[in-house]
Amino acid sequence: EVQLLESGGGLVQPGGSLRLSCAASGFIFSSHAMSWVRQAPGKGLEWVSGLTGSGDNTYYRDSVRGRFTISRDNSKKTLFLEMNSLRPEDTAVYFCAKDRNIIITSFDNWGQGILVTVSS
Amino acid sequence: DIQMTQSPSTLSASVGDRVTITCRASQSINNWLAWYQQKPGKAPKLLIYKASILENGVPSRFSGSASETEFTLTISSLQPDDFATYYCQQYHSYGYTFGQGTKLEIK
Repeated sequence: EVQLLESGGGLVQPGGSLRLSCAASGFIFSSHAMSWVRQAPGKGLEWVSGLTGSGDNTYYRDSVRGRFTISRDNSKKTLFLEMNSLRPEDTAVYFCAKDRNIIITSFDNWGQGILVTVSS
Repeated sequence: DIQMTQSPSTLSASVGDRVTITCRASQSINNWLAWYQQKPGKAPKLLIYKASILENGVPSRFSGSASETEFTLTISSLQPDDFATYYCQQYHSYGYTFGQGTKLEIK
């Protein structure tokens, strides 16, 4: 059974930093791309960042490029999202999502989500 | 980025009804489209990928179709468990954009 467990969320002041982690199990981690998708309170889904199975190729939405860094440790089956210079508009539930393929396509398994709140 | 426009935003229907949700892409996406179901407080669930391929374990009352840049999700006979919000997502190119969602409510 595929399991994805996010951690590292919480309350942070504008301009602050957080590091999200997603521990994966139940599948061959390095064979699948991974992404972070967020959902602001009461809003729709928004893809944030993703990377290929090897981690060699990373992708970001424009609003987070230069502030967020996605990475993975395939030996520890863990996905990360380093978030710096956080803004109130980054407030959302962040989901870790497993891709069906080694490149970014569609997401067949999701974590339960973790809340990030950016507020003073 | 490719824009994905879903309609309607809200849909009221009854158990047993046949319902259709539409998603329109701002340019060709070669059927690289997925549909997800999300219930309140839960993670999304993949229903369909490549516009019309049913994900393993998804009931056959769900189906997807495509016509150029217009995509539809059809539920042939609504069940109580189907009342949720549905999203389309393109994965043709960078941005991997979602539609704004369609909330399916009980009439």
